[in-house]
Amino acid sequence: QKEVEQDPGPLSVPEGAIVSLNCTYSNSAFQYFMWYRQYSRKGPELLMYTYSSGNKEDGRFTAQVDKSSKYISLFIRDSQPSDSATYLCAMSAGGGNKLTFGTGTQLKVEL
Amino acid sequence: GAVVSQHPSWVICKSGTSVKIECRSLDFQATTMFWYRQFPKQSLMLMATSNEGSKATYEQGVEKDKFLINHASLTLSTLTVTSAHPEDSSFYICSARGLAAFGETQYFGPGTRLLVL
Repeated sequence: QKEVEQDPGPLSVPEGAIVSLNCTYSNSAFQYFMWYRQYSRKGPELLMYTYSSGNKEDGRFTAQVDKSSKYISLFIRDSQPSDSATYLCAMSAGGGNKLTFGTGTQLKVEL
Repeated sequence: GAVVSQHPSWVICKSGTSVKIECRSLDFQATTMFWYRQFPKQSLMLMATSNEGSKATYEQGVEKDKFLINHASLTLSTLTVTSAHPEDSSFYICSARGLAAFGETQYFGPGTRLLVL
C-alpha cells in the first residue's frame, strides 16, 4: 500500500462546476499538507499549504485536512478551463523531512 | 515571491555526453534543494536532497556517480547527468525549501526536458 493514495482520474467537469479532489494517507506523522497544480510540461505550482487539521480558503480554492480520517481535500469553486491540469497532493512529517506525493489527479474543465 | 528558475528548459544531447542543469532560487535563500525526475503521466520521483555546503543524499536506486549534485550556495544547485544514455531521457525538476521559519513548503522550478539521442 502506498503512503499516499490519490485517484489519477481523469476527471472531467463542465465549466462552473465545483471540483473535489482527494487524497488519503497512512502515515499518522504527516502534519504538513500541500496541493500543487501542474500544467503539462511545467513544474508544479504551489496552490495551498496547511498545517494539521482544519480548513483554509484562498479565492476559489479551499483545502481541508481531516487528520483523524487521514483524508485531505481540495475544492475548486466556479471551475474554469484554465484549471485543467494535474493536481498533486503532498505531505510531510516536518522537521526537514521530504515530501511524499500522491500520483496526481488529471482534471479537465470543459466549456 | 518564492521563484525558482531552471536552466536550460530543454536540452538534446548525444549518448555519452554530460549535461548540467542549474537550479536557482531567485528571491529567497534555499537551505535545501531537491531534484526530481518525472516520466510522462507519472508523479514526481525524488532523486536526491542537497543541503548547501554538504554532500547530497541520494534516494535508493539513484546512482550518485551518474547524477552529480552540487549545492555550492544558498541560491544555486546543479545536477550533472554524466555519460547520458537514452534511458536518462526524462523531465528533471528541482525544488527549493527556505529556512525552517518559512515552513515545509517546496517551491518548484519549471523543469528541464532532457532528450538523449
